[in-house]
Amino acid sequence: DSGVTQTPKHLITATGQRVTLRCSPRSGDLSVYWYQQSLDQGLQFLIQYYNGEERAKGNILERFSAQQFPDLHSELNLSSLELGDSALYFCASSILAGRVDTQYFGPGTRLTVL
Amino acid sequence: ILNVEQSPQSLHVQEGDSTNFTCSFPSSNFYALHWYRWETAKSPEALFVMTLNGDEKKKGRISATLNTKEGYSYLYIKGSQPEDSATYLCAFVMNRDDKIIFGKGTRLHILP
Repeated sequence: DSGVTQTPKHLITATGQRVTLRCSPRSGDLSVYWYQQSLDQGLQFLIQYYNGEERAKGNILERFSAQQFPDLHSELNLSSLELGDSALYFCASSILAGRVDTQYFGPGTRLTVL
Repeated sequence: ILNVEQSPQSLHVQEGDSTNFTCSFPSSNFYALHWYRWETAKSPEALFVMTLNGDEKKKGRISATLNTKEGYSYLYIKGSQPEDSATYLCAFVMNRDDKIIFGKGTRLHILP
């Protein structure tokens, strides 16, 4: 158990809908990262937040947005969902914002878009 | 397009044998390289973070080396055990904009 929690574990929804995935980092960690793992792709870095501020941006679609709240939990919002958004979404956390910090991954949220 | 390549894609190794696999990454704009171990139905687990050319890291029977000038890292497993069966991922961190680019992993199967 990494200490990172993600909810929900599974989510099934329809195309065109909007969902919110939630992540609570390990106690004391200030950075949160979001990743997408789809069948035909490797792990894709979406976005990183550090202490409430956006720190780095990867391949995040405009339909997706994220934020980190004062209590350091983070939410990833996915809107106008398409079939291709079906994937496993991981959140990870690290102590600081550094690119050499060890990241601890949560168990993931499996999103299925029908 | 920046590419991080891992080879081989899949590997079968007899229990007790040693093995190694490769992560290739762009040699420019290097900042760091991470190695992760990812067991089926679990989350990726950090193994090493490497930053300096010539770096060598070790954790039990697993070790890694780094060559930033030529853009590769090797992961070695000595005396493979069934619990080593997993996908091993490397992630390249760019100097320029903090992007993290993952390879597609090497899937290691240890045969009893």
